[in-house]
Parts: sequence; structure tokens; C-alpha cells
Amino acid sequence: DVKVTQSSRYLVKRTGEKVFLECVQDMDHENMFWYRQDPGLGLRLIYFSYDVKMKEKGDIPEGYSVSREKKERFSLILESASTNQTSMYLCASSGTSGSQETQYFGPGTRLLVL
Amino acid sequence: GENVGLHLPTLSVQEGDNSIINCAYSNSASDYFIWYKQESGKGPQFIIDIRSNMDKRQGQRVTVLLNKTVKHLSLQIAATQPGDSAVYFCAENHTGRRALTFGSGTRLQVQP
Repeated sequence: DVKVTQSSRYLVKRTGEKVFLECVQDMDHENMFWYRQDPGLGLRLIYFSYDVKMKEKGDIPEGYSVSREKKERFSLILESASTNQTSMYLCASSGTSGSQETQYFGPGTRLLVL
Repeated sequence: GENVGLHLPTLSVQEGDNSIINCAYSNSASDYFIWYKQESGKGPQFIIDIRSNMDKRQGQRVTVLLNKTVKHLSLQIAATQPGDSAVYFCAENHTGRRALTFGSGTRLQVQP
């Protein structure tokens, strides 16, 4: 079975802090994704990566950056956290470089920015 | 729970009944569709997928129907059980795009 893990289930940070969210997958997947999930807005794509050191902006990249130094690990970085970044963050991975493969999700990180 | 929940449409069914969850999409180029289930406090879990060259696909207790003419997708769950209570999302993709586009979800509540 595909396993996607996220470093934290819950995080509380203060405005202006730098925040790192880590995601690891164990299936040698090329593609990895970061989403945020908010009431009434569903899942929105922040960034994705289709190879090591490669990244593409999603629909809402502002205020975020990402890092993919190793194939199995994809990090989401909030350079200066703001209260409007309080959300559930979901990482996903998928298996080929094509566009039509199932994404497998981690359990999510609930981030609260005070 | 931690799901998207405050503004979701909700479907309430009795245990043992069949459930039908609907999803509309707008992109006529969409050619791949997935249903996900998200339980409280967990990430979305893959249920079933279908490609646009099909109009029906069956899994274990689940069936997905695709009507490309009206751009409509449905998930049917047979003999709904309390463990089926969750938020269900449809997602779509099309050739050339790497990322899925998700619907806003429907909450399924199973009454014992």
C-alpha cells in the first residue's frame, strides 16, 4: 500500500514565524502535491513537484514556497506565517509523470496561526 | 471533525439503503474522474476512478456513473453502512494537466 506521511498532525505557530511542513512518501512516486483545505472552498492546490528539484505553482501559491531535494520528500514552507494561513494542509503523491494517475493523500496537518 | 464541513451539502440515509452522491463538472476536456472519501481527521482516501471512454465502473459496493453529455458524475453506494459516513469528493483531470481539480464535497450521514 502507498503510504504518505506528514510530519505533524497539529501545529500552532505565531504570526511572522517560519513554518516547515514535511511530507514523505514511500512508493517512489514522481509527483507530489500540497493542498490546503478550508470550509466551503474544498481542496486547493498550492504547489506540486513532478521531479526532484522541479516545482510548479498551483492555484494559490502566494505566501508559500516548496522544496524537493529528494524524491520521497516534499516540503511546504511558510516564510512568514499569517493568520489567513490557518488551515488543514494535505500532501499527496502520484505514480507517473503523466497527468492521470490517482493521488494518494497523507493524514493532513492542522495549522493554527495566532 | 476536521473535515470541510460547515457549508457542505449533506445526504442523510438509513443504514442498509443505497446512497447516491452527485457531482457536476464544467470542463468538457475532462477525461479522468476520481471519487475520494474523507473521514473525520483523516486525509482523502481513493474509492474508485473512471476514464471518459467508459460510462460505468463497479467496485466493491460502489458504482461510478459518468454522463458526459450533461457533465455529471455519480457515486452509488450499495447497502450503506455506518462506516460509510464521511465527506465524499469528486475530482477530475484532463490530458496534459498534472493536478486534479476537486469538487467541494458532500457529507454522507448514515442513520442506524
